[in-house]
Amino acid sequence: DQQVKQNSPSLSVQEGRISILNCDYTNSMFDYFLWYKKYPAEGPTFLISISSIKDKNEDGRFTVFLNKSAKHLSLHIVPSQPGDSAVYFCAAALYLQGGSEKLVFGKGTKLTVNP
Amino acid sequence: NAGVMQNPRHLVRRRGQEARLRCSPMKGHSHVYWYRQLPEEGLKFMVYLQKENIIDESGMPKERFSAEFPKEGPSILRIQQVVRGDSAAYFCASSLAGPGTEAFFGQGTRLTVV
Repeated sequence: DQQVKQNSPSLSVQEGRISILNCDYTNSMFDYFLWYKKYPAEGPTFLISISSIKDKNEDGRFTVFLNKSAKHLSLHIVPSQPGDSAVYFCAAALYLQGGSEKLVFGKGTKLTVNP
Repeated sequence: NAGVMQNPRHLVRRRGQEARLRCSPMKGHSHVYWYRQLPEEGLKFMVYLQKENIIDESGMPKERFSAEFPKEGPSILRIQQVVRGDSAAYFCASSLAGPGTEAFFGQGTRLTVV
């Protein structure tokens, strides 16, 4: 059961343009959402997050939008740079007993930013 | 993130052998998570541990897989009698704990079963 879905396995954009990565989820109990960036042969690195009580969070070139009624979130990168080329994972967090959380990941979207 | 150390980075095992994957969390972190990434797939949660306790192992296969996080030393993910389908990248993450605490990932161990 895929609770977090990234329906686009890949995305290609020109340098300087906007990159929009999409993510859908099915579990309304998720507490917050995160985007991770992953380069080949490295572990995922945290990019940006958003609480389930907010609809937008912005950090520099990265903005995440959350539409709870549609169970949809998106990551906008403006302007896109070649160094942004990586696989982007959407993740949703469930709080667990013990005060921590379990992350449920989507399958990822490979972003390529062309110079 | 250099703070979470996983070793080895690459591990090759023959079918039927045992694989041991180690994870040292970031300094001060007492919560450890293991994730597995199969080819062309996202990361899938396996197990969440605190020191000496397994909190949630709902993502662990029922047989051959075990995990521990002893009072001293790294967390260990152990796979007995490996099969080709166990070939994957295994990532460990640690967090400081508390709601909304960010989890930091290690670089992963790539297991290849031949």
